[in-house]
Amino acid sequence: EDQVTQSPEALRLQEGESSSLNCSYTVSGLRGLFWYRQDPGKGPEFLFTLYSAGEEKEKERLKATLTKKESFLHITAPKPEDSATYLCAVQAYGGSQGNLIFGKGTKLSVKP
Amino acid sequence: SAVISQKPSRDICQRGTSLTIQCQVDSQVTMMFWYRQQPGQSLTLIATANQGSEATYESGFVIDKFPISRPNLTFSTLTVSNMSPEDSSIYLCSVEGQSGRAGETQYFGPGTRLLVL
Repeated sequence: EDQVTQSPEALRLQEGESSSLNCSYTVSGLRGLFWYRQDPGKGPEFLFTLYSAGEEKEKERLKATLTKKESFLHITAPKPEDSATYLCAVQAYGGSQGNLIFGKGTKLSVKP
Repeated sequence: SAVISQKPSRDICQRGTSLTIQCQVDSQVTMMFWYRQQPGQSLTLIATANQGSEATYESGFVIDKFPISRPNLTFSTLTVSNMSPEDSSIYLCSVEGQSGRAGETQYFGPGTRLLVL
């Protein structure tokens, strides 16, 4: 069964304290792995798509990496405005087209 | 990426009633998706809506409970029928990007927050 597990469930950081969020996945074949940011009361906002092991994407203070079993979202020198829930999702070959399998997310709080 | 809007943004409903949620996209798209996000749970795909054909439902979701319409390439509706408190969730529509690549990125609307009393 295809599944996604994110850790930790919650993470508290001081402003400027770098850290990483983990997304472990099990799929029959990976079409793509996706990172989203979700603020309270809003829909998920797209961050990155990764397709193959070794691929990396960067955007401002965020960097996403991918291996054959997991993905990391690295946050460098975070600011309070980075506080949000970060969601990881995968799309697998063999599943229904467009079906994204989501983890439960990591709730990040960055204190000034 | 497409701009997606949903109506209503939130609602409080009585059990046994039905609510229709609208999703509007600013460009023509082939496939639209409906997800549910229950409190403390992952987003889960309800169904995929293609224009001109019947929606395809995921395991655990049925047409009688979640009828979907897709009258054109920019619009879809999801109805939550005969509601119970267990239907209290955020309902989200999404569309795929247009790169044509396998594993296409999906973009989400702002969601509809539903509370059933």
